[in-house]
Amino acid sequence: QSALTQPASVSGSPGQSITISCTGTSNDIGAYDYVSWYQQHPGKAPKLMISDVRNRPSGVSYRFSGSKSGYTASLTISGLQAEDEADYYCSSFTSSRTYVFGTGTKVNVL
Amino acid sequence: QVQLQQWGAGLLKPSETLSLTCAVYDASFSDYNWSWIRQSPGKGQEWVGEIHLRGGTKYNPSLESRVTISLDTSNNQVSLKLTSVTAADTAVYYCARHGRGGWYFDYWGQGALVTVSS
Repeated sequence: QSALTQPASVSGSPGQSITISCTGTSNDIGAYDYVSWYQQHPGKAPKLMISDVRNRPSGVSYRFSGSKSGYTASLTISGLQAEDEADYYCSSFTSSRTYVFGTGTKVNVL
Repeated sequence: QVQLQQWGAGLLKPSETLSLTCAVYDASFSDYNWSWIRQSPGKGQEWVGEIHLRGGTKYNPSLESRVTISLDTSNNQVSLKLTSVTAADTAVYYCARHGRGGWYFDYWGQGALVTVSS
């Protein structure tokens, strides 16, 4: 099972919106609406930001939103803030009943 | 608030067995599925395997021959064993809870760095 493909880095200025893509195959992202997104600050455990493509857990800012089209899922961060600077990973359930993660994207707030 | 606390040996020699335990401080421990996920230095996450609330397991095919995940419901603990480790198994290992009825991980342990070196 190959990792899902994410851009290595995405940058934006405070207040701007950025979108991180996550591309998979018909066996993972294309098969189910079971895509989740995680934020990870250096030295910390990942934190769930989006589940099941677009559901935002309690406590997660409304500035984070998710979507999916075909084999590509996306995470959008609107109103970018300094605290959003972190690594972001997507994950998908697969047709083999396993989980695969993305390669990770570093978000830089300029 | 759900808390997951991990512990285990941090330095292993090649061919030894990795053993980690995750204690879960949550009264609903038996209502959830649990996974282990690892992150190699400077790299992304890799799903290791999961154990279902009724004890069934599913492992990453690339690790399946060496992995065992088990539950200790009397102590609210999840354990991971990985045999015949090599340097490629050096990583931070996380235990994580699956969301209720969902295909995502809503609570994570603090992580445990395991280094394999001769």
